[in-house]
Amino acid sequence: ETGVTQSPTHLIKTRGQQVTLRCSSQSGHNTVSWYQQALGQGPQFIFQYYREEENGRGNFPPRFSGLQFPNYSSELNVNALELDDSALYLCASSLVLAGHETQYFGPGTRLLVL
Amino acid sequence: AQKITQTQPGMFVQEKEAVTLDCTYDTSDPSYGLFWYKQPSSGEMIFLIYQGSYDQQNATEGRYSLNFQKARKSANLVISASQLGDSAMYFCAMREENYGGATNKLIFGTGTLLAVQP
Repeated sequence: ETGVTQSPTHLIKTRGQQVTLRCSSQSGHNTVSWYQQALGQGPQFIFQYYREEENGRGNFPPRFSGLQFPNYSSELNVNALELDDSALYLCASSLVLAGHETQYFGPGTRLLVL
Repeated sequence: AQKITQTQPGMFVQEKEAVTLDCTYDTSDPSYGLFWYKQPSSGEMIFLIYQGSYDQQNATEGRYSLNFQKARKSANLVISASQLGDSAMYFCAMREENYGGATNKLIFGTGTLLAVQP
């Protein structure tokens, strides 16, 4: 049990719509990362937030955006949904442990775009 | 560029036997971390074990051990005494150990599906 929660668990949207996914991490985890995992693939890094500021971004277009809030929750927003956005979206919060950071993942949100 | 390679799409192992899942990596950074995660069908990524590039000894966590061979750039996961609950997807991941505000993103391999047979 990592203490990282995500909502909703499943979501169905149609092409062109917008979606907001939410993540809640444990108190003290000041870094949150978001990953996209397509079927049969490993997770791909979308972006990371540290103390409410974006702290790095992967190869994803600007229609993928995020927010991190003071209460350690965060959001992933995707505009103008495309069929290829169908995937499992994972958030991970970081805790410094024994001199390094380990990312602890939530259960994910499965997004299906029709 | 950093890269993780897992060449075994699927593996079978008998219950109570040991199994090794292969992982090779490529990086030009002298400081990096290697991770293994387990992903059951439910989707959650469960952290198993970590190895730092400067660690002198191989990491162990209960039934999990990491066979780290730096010169060969390999970081194989060994699971001893396999259990039915070990059936899952296993991912190897790497991260640059850059401090000072650099992004600590994880680079994942494509995973190995492990099936433990009774």
